[in-house]
Amino acid sequence: GAVVSQHPSRVICKSGTSVKIECRSLDFQATTMFWYRQFPKQSLMLMATSNEGSKATYEQGVEKDKFLINHASLTLSTLTVTSAHPEDSSFYICSARQGLGNTEAFFGQGTRLTVV
Amino acid sequence: GENVEQHPSTLSVQEGDSAVIKCTYSDSASNYFPWYKQELGKGPQLIIDIRSNVGEKKDQRIAVTLNKTAKHFSLHITETQPEDSAVYFCAASQGGYQKVTFGIGTKLQVIP
Repeated sequence: GAVVSQHPSRVICKSGTSVKIECRSLDFQATTMFWYRQFPKQSLMLMATSNEGSKATYEQGVEKDKFLINHASLTLSTLTVTSAHPEDSSFYICSARQGLGNTEAFFGQGTRLTVV
Repeated sequence: GENVEQHPSTLSVQEGDSAVIKCTYSDSASNYFPWYKQELGKGPQLIIDIRSNVGEKKDQRIAVTLNKTAKHFSLHITETQPEDSAVYFCAASQGGYQKVTFGIGTKLQVIP
């Protein structure tokens, strides 16, 4: 299957700082990338959908200015958590879809963010 | 929007027995139904998927069935092994730019 690489896998940052998470599709071009947040023992909550070269579409309740998403190329999307606070601590996961039809969405390995 | 319900939330089976996880979806426009396995601290892994023009699909010990009329789809794992223990998520999507909506997850424990 296709490989999606997410980096870093774990990050600890201080309150008030910003953290950038990268999501790369290694062997395919991702027309669409999705960013999810997952709390312990819960399902994946979609935060935003991004298409290469256009602005991300955010889900209701997700602050655009806090969670900045950039999908600069067909193989790279980034999520920046700005002015992080302890309540932003979570597991963030990206997923990438190759085409426009009924194609699989492949997931990165996730990033465990801890804000102290 | 789409709503996916999944049950049971937890499932324990003896090694070698079968496990069945069931999901329902609400949006008749959904036409792609993947299943993911997530191990602790890792991202979900696609294990099998089914499209709306197919009623059943099998891959070794894993099979998925889809009933479009009833908007039901199920995951069947036969001859379960301890390494099958994980959280399984069903999902529904319309493909393309449309988002994937996940069920709440089923924690499967296979007891040796």
